Amino acid sequence: DAKTTQPNSMESNEEEPVHLPCNHSTISGTDYIHWYRQLPSQGPEYVIHGLTSNVNNRMASLAIAEDRKSSTLILHRATLRDAAVYYCILKGQNFVFGPGTRLSVLP
Amino acid sequence: SQTIHQWPATLVQPVGSPLSLECTVEGTSNPNLYWYRQAAGRGLQLLFYSVGIGQISSEVPQNLSASRPQDRQFILSSKKLLLSDSGFYLCAWSGGVGYEKLFFGSGTQLSVL
Repeated sequence: DAKTTQPNSMESNEEEPVHLPCNHSTISGTDYIHWYRQLPSQGPEYVIHGLTSNVNNRMASLAIAEDRKSSTLILHRATLRDAAVYYCILKGQNFVFGPGTRLSVLP
Repeated sequence: SQTIHQWPATLVQPVGSPLSLECTVEGTSNPNLYWYRQAAGRGLQLLFYSVGIGQISSEVPQNLSASRPQDRQFILSSKKLLLSDSGFYLCAWSGGVGYEKLFFGSGTQLSVL
């Protein structure tokens, strides 16, 4: 499974947009880009996924670069409840998680 | 709707004792099943995955084993626990078309003393 690279941590102010980047330069043509987030003492939860086109859902938006070598998870208005570790994953045969980005939201 | 059950929620075991963690999925058939482990403050490590009954793939050589005796049942076992087996164990499932997402159970916090 291809690897992803994310910043270790990011900070955001409450009610401001957050852009979480992910690099995946070795992505293959059939790999889906998935994002999950994990709150403390809980299992990860699905956020969004896409293949080539940008995607929107009630939780977030996913912007995928034209060459698919990077993507950005966009939280349009961060809340304190969005503080979590965010994982970017390339879904090939398996779901292999990297260390993720720890997002802190400041009131 | 699909649900995943994992138990127990917490477990304290002495070194050298056996382990059995069970996970069951309801509301779907022939799911792909996964066991992950998360050490304190660390990311998720894929331990085992299964695409069908009796089909187990191991990602990391270790003191643990997995079995899938029924379509929607996944068991993680150890004959003798080590201190390094402590961690947060998560079971997860994914399905076919329309269910490519990964759904996690609530996890088991295992402390080996």
